[in-house]
Amino acid sequence: GQQLNQSPQSMFIQEGEDVSMNCTSSSIFNTWLWYKQEPGEGPVLLIALYKAGELTSNGRLTAQFGITRKDSFLNISASIPSDVGIYFCAGQLSGGSQGNLIFGKGTKLSVKP
Amino acid sequence: SQTIHQWPATLVQPVGSPLSLECTVEGTSNPNLYWYRQAAGRGLQLLFYSVGIGQISSEVPQNLSASRPQDRQFILSSKKLLLSDSGFYLCAWSVTGVMWPLHFGNGTRLTVT
Repeated sequence: GQQLNQSPQSMFIQEGEDVSMNCTSSSIFNTWLWYKQEPGEGPVLLIALYKAGELTSNGRLTAQFGITRKDSFLNISASIPSDVGIYFCAGQLSGGSQGNLIFGKGTKLSVKP
Repeated sequence: SQTIHQWPATLVQPVGSPLSLECTVEGTSNPNLYWYRQAAGRGLQLLFYSVGIGQISSEVPQNLSASRPQDRQFILSSKKLLLSDSGFYLCAWSVTGVMWPLHFGNGTRLTVT
């Protein structure tokens, strides 16, 4: 089946550092979404991207929809301890059906104070 | 504002027992509703989605079934649980007619023993 390759799988960083993670695929996507999940909770939407080349910010978070429509990245600037969690990308395939939102396997972020 | 409720939060069930997880959405009409499963170390896998009462689409053949008896109620069931059914089950909704962004509930941690 279709897959999203999300990297890195995990990150251990110092508070104040910037973070970058990305998702890539061999397929073309119409939409990219970035979610954050904290332990024992459901994922919460951070940023939604709907157009190739789109760059969108949400506070210290910035995400971009790749020009090729096959990738997206998420940056977090000046990380803080509450940024800890698992970050997921999700994409809707071009020509995909109603249920065809594909998730990456997540990037687990740990922040050391 | 819209809210999604999912219960129970945790559940321990023996193999062969039945299952019923319930999800309700408030503050919106005719939402799209979804059941996802999240296994440890993996991304989210779509199990079922529904675009209206009584309309269920299954993405993955398995030991589970879903029903939508009311507009804003979505139920995940099994007649006989298997060990492999253990996982974190997430209900989600989106605005009618579009799949994104998805808004997730807080999940149910199911352990089959």
